[in-house]
This record gives sequence, C-alpha cells and structure tokens, in this order.
Amino acid sequence: DQQVKQNSPSLSVQEGRISILNCDYTNSMFDYFLWYKKYPAEGPTFLISISSIKDKNEDGRFTVFLNKSAKHLSLHIVPSQPGDSAVYFCAASGTYNFGNEKLTFGTGTRLTIIP
Amino acid sequence: DTGVSQDPRHKITKRGQNVTFRCDPISEHNRLYWYRQTLGQGPEFLTYFQNEAQLEKSRLLSDRFSAERPKGSFSTLEIQRTEQGDSAMYLCASSPGAFATQYFGPGTRLLVL
Repeated sequence: DQQVKQNSPSLSVQEGRISILNCDYTNSMFDYFLWYKKYPAEGPTFLISISSIKDKNEDGRFTVFLNKSAKHLSLHIVPSQPGDSAVYFCAASGTYNFGNEKLTFGTGTRLTIIP
Repeated sequence: DTGVSQDPRHKITKRGQNVTFRCDPISEHNRLYWYRQTLGQGPEFLTYFQNEAQLEKSRLLSDRFSAERPKGSFSTLEIQRTEQGDSAMYLCASSPGAFATQYFGPGTRLLVL
C-alpha cells in the first residue's frame, strides 16, 4: 500500500511563477515530513522539513505547508528558477516508535521550469 | 567533500554473480541507512545501522542481501547470486541521530544482465 502519494507525476511552470507540489499520506502516525530534490544520476538532496507540531516552515524560496486534518502537505517554490527543474520526493516518518526511523517516500513529481 | 560517498557509482554484472557496494557516511553520523530505488518509484527502505548495530531490516532484504557496518563508520551491502530484479539504484544515507535529517549519497546504479 502506498502510504505517501504524489498524484502528479509531472508539473510545468513558467520561470518566475510559483510552483506548488502536493503530497498526501494515509498513515496518521507520520509526524515528520521532508522534501527532497533529485537530479538524474544523483542521490536525493534534502530541501526542507516540517514537524507535525507546525503547519508551515520556510527556508528562502521554499515553503512547506502541512494540513494534518487532511493528511496533506505541499511545497511552494517562489519564484521558480530553471535550476529547480528536477524530480521532487515527499517523504515521511513516524517518531512515535523509537527504532522505526525509516523514511517512506512518494513516487515523485517531475518539475520542469520553462524559461 | 564531506558528504556521503558511495562506491562504485555504476556496476554491471551477470546474473548469479555476487556484488558488494560501499558507503562512507558523513563523519560522526552514527546512523547509516540503505535504500533501493527502481524506475518510476521513490526510494524504498532496506536497512539501517546505529553505529555498528543493525537495528531494522525491511522484508525487501531477502536472504541474498547482507549489510554490515563493522566499525561503525563505513558500511557494505552485498548481494549474492544476483537476479535481474535486483537492477536498481542503491542509495545510502546518514544522519547525526534518531529522526534527524537523512543526507543521501550519489547512489550505486546496478544493472544485472
């Protein structure tokens, strides 16, 4: 069962506009969420994270929003730049169970920034 | 470069052969994780270590897979009697503690012919 879902396989956005990537999860025990960016033939690069005690976290051009009641999070990139073109993965973990530290990933969204 | 490193970056092998991958974590990170990523999917957890202790193994890790971290620093992942279904990107990550951010290496891409 896919506990973390990214329903949009791809997204195209004009340079300078806002990119919004979405992620849904089904496991209510997840309480820590991360976004990673991945270029071809490279490992995932950490972007930003959010704990379930918050509903928003910002880091420069990147903002993550968490809606716990809807089990939904989103990543906003403003303004979008050509270098943002990559595959973005949403990941989640549950800190409720010490020793259960694995990340559960979504299937990714390919973001293309159009110059 | 103080990031996570993995060796080799690419490996092509014939079905039935054994392969071994190495991961060097970020210095002083006591957690080390192995994931596998196949085409069109996100990374899937395989196993992880706290120092030299292997704390969890996924059901994806069949008997043909074994991982070690003998001195609590680098780790190796061995696949015995490789099968074509083992073809994937094998990713290593490290973190400074429990539930801290995991930082990934560049991965080892395995192709089993």
